[in-house]
Amino acid sequence: GAVVSQHPSRVICKSGTSVKIECRSLDFQATTMFWYRQFPKKSLMLMATSNEGSKATYEQGVEKDKFLINHASLTLSTLTVTSAHPEDSSFYICSARVSGEGYTFGSGTRLTVV
Amino acid sequence: DQQVKQNSPSLSVQEGRISILNCDYTNSMFDYFLWYKKYPAEGPTFLISISSIKDKNEDGRFTVFLNKSAKHLSLHIVPSQPGDSAVYFCAASPARGGSEKLVFGKGMKLTVNP
Repeated sequence: GAVVSQHPSRVICKSGTSVKIECRSLDFQATTMFWYRQFPKKSLMLMATSNEGSKATYEQGVEKDKFLINHASLTLSTLTVTSAHPEDSSFYICSARVSGEGYTFGSGTRLTVV
Repeated sequence: DQQVKQNSPSLSVQEGRISILNCDYTNSMFDYFLWYKKYPAEGPTFLISISSIKDKNEDGRFTVFLNKSAKHLSLHIVPSQPGDSAVYFCAASPARGGSEKLVFGKGMKLTVNP
């Protein structure tokens, strides 16, 4: 089936720095990708929907200037956490909808801000 | 406002027995429902789905039942195996296969004891 490759799987960064997370669709084109965040023992919360070639759509309460999303090609979407703080520590997951196959998720990125 | 609810945070069953995971939803616009399995530090893996035009869908050991009038669905795993131990998420979408976002429940941790 279709695969979404997400990197890095784990990252530790210092407070105030920025971190970029990449999601690539392998063997298919993803015009739309979804970015989720999961806190411990909580549901996956949709942060934003990225559309290739246009601005991302952010969910209510998500700071678009803090979580920069770029979807410059049909196979790559990136999420950049800018000026990261400890409260941004979380598990971030991307997802793409695959025609005829439903939604495929990346393996997730564990971000720890120290 | 939790539109998709998994009210039981955990379930423990004996190997070989049936596991029943429940999910309730409040939004009558939901038309497509999915179950995902998730291991720690990994992205969700698709298990099974059901469209609102059906009341049952079966795939091997996994069966999903949908009761639209009660806005309730359940996932049955039989026979349960230790490898089934994971967190299971129920998700819903307002349209089948569309680019609309998925709404997830909080998840339920299933433990299958040998």
